[in-house]
Amino acid sequence: DAKTTQPNSMESNEEEPVHLPCNHSTISGTDYIHWYRQLPSQGPEYVIHGLTSNVNNRMASLAIAEDRKSSTLILHRATLRDAAVYYCILRDDSGGSNYKLTFGKGTLLTVNP
Amino acid sequence: ETGVTQSPTHLIKTRGQQVTLRCSSQSGHNTVSWYQQALGQGPQFIFQYYREEENGRGNFPPRFSGLQFPNYSSELNVNALELDDSALYLCASSRGDSPDTQYFGPGTRLTVL
Repeated sequence: DAKTTQPNSMESNEEEPVHLPCNHSTISGTDYIHWYRQLPSQGPEYVIHGLTSNVNNRMASLAIAEDRKSSTLILHRATLRDAAVYYCILRDDSGGSNYKLTFGKGTLLTVNP
Repeated sequence: ETGVTQSPTHLIKTRGQQVTLRCSSQSGHNTVSWYQQALGQGPQFIFQYYREEENGRGNFPPRFSGLQFPNYSSELNVNALELDDSALYLCASSRGDSPDTQYFGPGTRLTVL
């Protein structure tokens, strides 16, 4: 599985935008970029995923670089509830693979009131 | 709330014993994946079941085994428990036609003494 690199931790203030970076320089053409987050004492939660184009949903936006070697998860207005570990994951979509997720250590996001 | 439930919430076992963990997937989901999360680490993929058949396995020994039932609920069995098996065990369910979004349960915390 292709690897991702994320900062160990980041801090933000409440109601400000947050940009969480992820590097994936060895990404292949069939790798989807997924983001999950894990709040304290909970299982991971799906946030967003994309392949080549930028994606938006009610939780966040995903900006993917043109060469696909990096991406950024954007939380438009951070709330205290967004404090969590954020995981950037590459999932191979080539034929025959199961849909396993390979988690790294993620980025611990702290949101200050 | 993801609709995925796991039981028990916590469990304490001694080395050499066997344990069975249970997962009830979200309604309509025919795929279940199991993950092990050690303290301070991201979840690690154990295996996945699709329509009662194993559909991929991570780097875990054969003493980790599983089952998926006709109602798509699932069990994870671990034999000959070792101290390093102490972890949070997570199950995630997804739909076969929408595998990119996995819904995680809250996990079972297993402590091996």
